[in-house]
Amino acid sequence: GAVVSQHPSRVICKSGTSVKIECRSLDFQATTMFWYRQFPKKSLMLMATSNEGSKATYEQGVEKDKFLINHASLTLSTLTVTSAHPEDSSFYICSANPTGRILPETQYFGPGTRLLVL
Amino acid sequence: DAKTTQPNSMESNEEEPVHLPCNHSTISGTDYIHWYRQLPSQGPEYVIHGLTSNVNNRMASLAIAEDRKSSTLILHRATLRDAAVYYCILRDSSNTGKLIFGQGTTLQVKP
Repeated sequence: GAVVSQHPSRVICKSGTSVKIECRSLDFQATTMFWYRQFPKKSLMLMATSNEGSKATYEQGVEKDKFLINHASLTLSTLTVTSAHPEDSSFYICSANPTGRILPETQYFGPGTRLLVL
Repeated sequence: DAKTTQPNSMESNEEEPVHLPCNHSTISGTDYIHWYRQLPSQGPEYVIHGLTSNVNNRMASLAIAEDRKSSTLILHRATLRDAAVYYCILRDSSNTGKLIFGQGTTLQVKP
């Protein structure tokens, strides 16, 4: 089956620093990837749609200057949390749709990255 | 995306069948019914999807009401590894592919 990886799996950083999270589709190409965040005991919240070769589309209420998304290739999207603060501590999850599927039957999710900002 | 309603939690005994309900009374004709599940501290994984007819795969079965306003995910023999949050999601065939997650049903499986 299709595999999506994320790196790092967990990261601890100091307040004010920036953190980059990578999302890779390992055995398929993905024109579109998605970024979610999840707080403890809560559901996933879609943050943005990452489009290869173009700007990401952010959901309402998500600060695009705070959460920078780059989708430079068909297998890699990155999410950078800039000037991270403790309230940004969360579980960040990416997912990918295989390119060329008119109606993707499945969306493949990464294992998630747990961010803790001190 | 149309809204779905699921019970917050359910319990099951190991090796017994589990029926997880989902109401989607505002479903449109082009909405597919998708189920994903999320094990603790992991990303979600696809379980099954359908449009009108009942569906079976190696993981589960999906029973869709004739009027499509509700559906039921069926795990035929629950195992401890099936303990997870199960999400029922409606997905329009014409949308960008994004999934909007509701609160889901937390399934506990007792040995």
